[in-house]
Amino acid sequence: KQEVTQIPAALSVPEGENLVLNCSFTDSAIYNLQWFRQDPGKGLTSLLLIQSSQREQTSGRLNASLDKSSGRSTLYIAASQPGDSATYLCAVRSQGGSEKLVFGKGTKLTVNP
Amino acid sequence: GAGVSQSPRYKVAKRGQDVALRCDPISGHVSLFWYQQALGQGPEFLTYFQNEAQLDKSGLPSDRFFAERPEGSVSTLKIQRTQQEDSAVYLCASSLSHFYEQYFGPGTRLTVT
Repeated sequence: KQEVTQIPAALSVPEGENLVLNCSFTDSAIYNLQWFRQDPGKGLTSLLLIQSSQREQTSGRLNASLDKSSGRSTLYIAASQPGDSATYLCAVRSQGGSEKLVFGKGTKLTVNP
Repeated sequence: GAGVSQSPRYKVAKRGQDVALRCDPISGHVSLFWYQQALGQGPEFLTYFQNEAQLDKSGLPSDRFFAERPEGSVSTLKIQRTQQEDSAVYLCASSLSHFYEQYFGPGTRLTVT
């Protein structure tokens, strides 16, 4: 059974700092991994999708990497801003069968002005 | 274009009542998913459709939960005889197909009193 863990559970940083969020998964047989952002009381916004054959994806100040063999992904946020404050969720889609995503519990990020 | 929409956004039900939650996916999206998110947790998979076919319902917590997508577009999640433990945010997502990103709606917050 696939399990996804995100560390740390919460992170508080000053504005302008570069930061890394971590995601690990127990079964390396995945199709893809997706990073989301969730603002309080809102749905999920997709940030980046990495296919299993890819090593990284970039969008603006965000860079996500994937090391499938070790079951790890990182989300790098450059030059953080107060508007980046949100909960960041990592989710994996395993090979075989269902298209469902298995989520971690998220990392709550606070960027202080 | 329009994203995934869900209605109602908020629902308060008395224990024992039946509720119906609606999801309108992005037009043309083949796959549709329902997830349940408890407070402070990541979303957990409930069920998934490919067009009108329900291909995986392994996450439905009990036989009080029922989902349908009769014409391969709009979906309804029905919960019969609601219990307090059903209180959660119910998220709907859609995707073009299994290799593509899942896009989430804003969710329906269900409170059972």
